[in-house]
This record gives sequence, C-alpha cells and structure tokens, in this order.
Amino acid sequence: QVQLVESGGGVVQPGGSLRLSCAASGFTFSSYGMHWVRQAPGKGLEWVAFIRYDGSNKYYADSVKGRFTISRDNSKNTLYLQMNSLRAEDTAVYYCAKDEGQWRGVYYFDYWGQGTLVTVSS
Amino acid sequence: DIQMTQSPSSLSASVGDRVTITCRASQGISNYLAWYQQKPGKVPKLLIYAASTLQSGVPSRFSGSGSGTDFTLTISSLQPEDVATYYCQKYNSAPPLTFGGGTKVEIK
Repeated sequence: QVQLVESGGGVVQPGGSLRLSCAASGFTFSSYGMHWVRQAPGKGLEWVAFIRYDGSNKYYADSVKGRFTISRDNSKNTLYLQMNSLRAEDTAVYYCAKDEGQWRGVYYFDYWGQGTLVTVSS
Repeated sequence: DIQMTQSPSSLSASVGDRVTITCRASQGISNYLAWYQQKPGKVPKLLIYAASTLQSGVPSRFSGSGSGTDFTLTISSLQPEDVATYYCQKYNSAPPLTFGGGTKVEIK
C-alpha cells in the first residue's frame, strides 16, 4: 500500500531555514511526480510545489518562489522541500502528495502523507 | 491565475438529506476538476476527479457533475461519517494549482 511519511517539521525563527523530507513506499516512486501542499492552522489547502518524476521540471506557488526548493532522490525514494527565509505566514502543516499520473503530471493528488507541522515564530 | 470559488462556505443538514456543494472557476477548465474530503483532524482524501469520476472505494452516494466553469459535488443521502470539509481543485494546466476555499458540512 502507498505510504508517504513526512519529517523535519518544527519551530523555527523568522528568516530561518528548514528541510522537510517525505519517505515514499508502496509504489514506484521514480515514475511519479510529487507535490507539497500546506494548510495553515484552521485554514484551507494551498498547493506549494511540484516536481516531475525525474526531477527535470519544477513548479512553485508565487508565495514561496525564490525561497523554497523542491527536490527528490529517486535512489532513496525520498522527496524534499528546502525552506529558506521563512516567514510567520509559512506556518502550516506541510503534506507531501503523490500525483496521480505515471510519467506525466496530471496535477491532482491520489495519496497524501500525514503531514508535518512547521511553526515560524520568534 | 484561475480562481476557484466554493459555496456555501458551510452548511448544516440532517442525516439522509441531499447535499449539494458548488465550485465555480473564474475561467473555463473543461472537466479538469477534483474534489477532496478532509475529515476533522485527518488528511485530505481524493473523492472525485475529472469532475465526475469516483475514486476507487468512495461510496456511491457521492457524485460530481459539471464542465467549463460550474461544478457540483452531491451527497445523495448525508451520513454522520460525511462530516468534513470538502475542497475542489482545478488541474487544467501545469501548476500553479488552485483549491477552492472549502465547504464545511455538519449534521443538524
């Protein structure tokens, strides 16, 4: 069965950095695009970033462009999100999510991880 | 960017009621629309994609319809386990991807 397990969340000061990881299992990770989606406390869902199955193409929300970097290591079945210059408004639960499309992005999410909480506060 | 507007933002209905949630896109997106269910304290779950295709394992009381700019999610007979917030999401083109603001469904 598909499993996505995020880690790396925590409390960080404004301007600081954090790296999230998402360990994938139960499917051929190297064949699927992957996303990060976040949810601020009590708020709705916000898409953050996407990476193609081979890492050759990446997209970002305007709110994180230039500050966040999505990457993947297909040899380790792991997705990453490097978050720099963090702001209070980045406080959220961060989910990794699997794209439904094999080899090509279809850009909706058929499996989600449990999420990891990032709190940006002084 | 295309905006997605859901209505209502919340609703309260009785068990057995028919419930309809609307999602409107600011531009036409054909049928590139997905619906997700997020139960309190839980992870979002894919319900419907391509506007009307039920994801495997989703109860048949859920259905979706629409194309272009106007879409609906219908629960034909509301059950207690359907208490959740429902989100629409457009995916008609490469990212950025957009969710609707959510509709919270409660039992009266």
